[in-house]
Amino acid sequence: RKEVEQDPGPFNVPEGATVAFNCTYSNSASQSFFWYRQDCRKEPKLLMSVYSSGNEDGRFTAQLNRASQYISLLIRDSKLSDSATYLCVVNIRDGGTSYGKLTFGQGTILTVHP
Amino acid sequence: GAVVSQHPSRVICKSGTSVKIECRSLDFQATTMFWYRQFPKQSLMLMATSNEGSKATYEQGVEKDKFLINHASLTLSTLTVTSAHPEDSSFYICSVGTGGIGELFFGEGSRLTVL
Repeated sequence: RKEVEQDPGPFNVPEGATVAFNCTYSNSASQSFFWYRQDCRKEPKLLMSVYSSGNEDGRFTAQLNRASQYISLLIRDSKLSDSATYLCVVNIRDGGTSYGKLTFGQGTILTVHP
Repeated sequence: GAVVSQHPSRVICKSGTSVKIECRSLDFQATTMFWYRQFPKQSLMLMATSNEGSKATYEQGVEKDKFLINHASLTLSTLTVTSAHPEDSSFYICSVGTGGIGELFFGEGSRLTVL
């Protein structure tokens, strides 16, 4: 079983649609959770952190369910510019290392069309 | 502005040659840098953690003699792919953490093609 699993998609949605991505992780020691965005042939960039209480940043809402080891990302009112690969990322603290080990999911491809 | 600069962005080489990729931390000092590799349509895989002034820590399955990492200063880490073969063709990305747990800034990546 992969440490971090995502539905690879692709998701093809029209502008204005609402789309949700899911992610599950296998290591219960995971401590921090993130969504990164990666444009084609570019480096990943942090989209948002994910907190147990859920958090929202504009059109983006992230949720974490520790009991089910499940993370989600909801995008409302999709824009053409939202087209990208969305990476679910989990941090497992490694001993005393501050950063721990980041484990990436394979990514979910989103294409927003006019 | 960019936090991490990586060079070269693209390199094509012949099989058997060695290729060096540089990763520079801009504006701040980084005692730790991370090297990732990403094959097409796959996730980023951590190869090694580069530690300033000491040996790099390699992930399981990554050959340390093939992927040489040097972190001689607080702003520069280099990855050398020695005796490169076509199966080493990939997107290599370095990253730096600035203190927030899990928040990494990535270099622009280096796309290596070995003929």
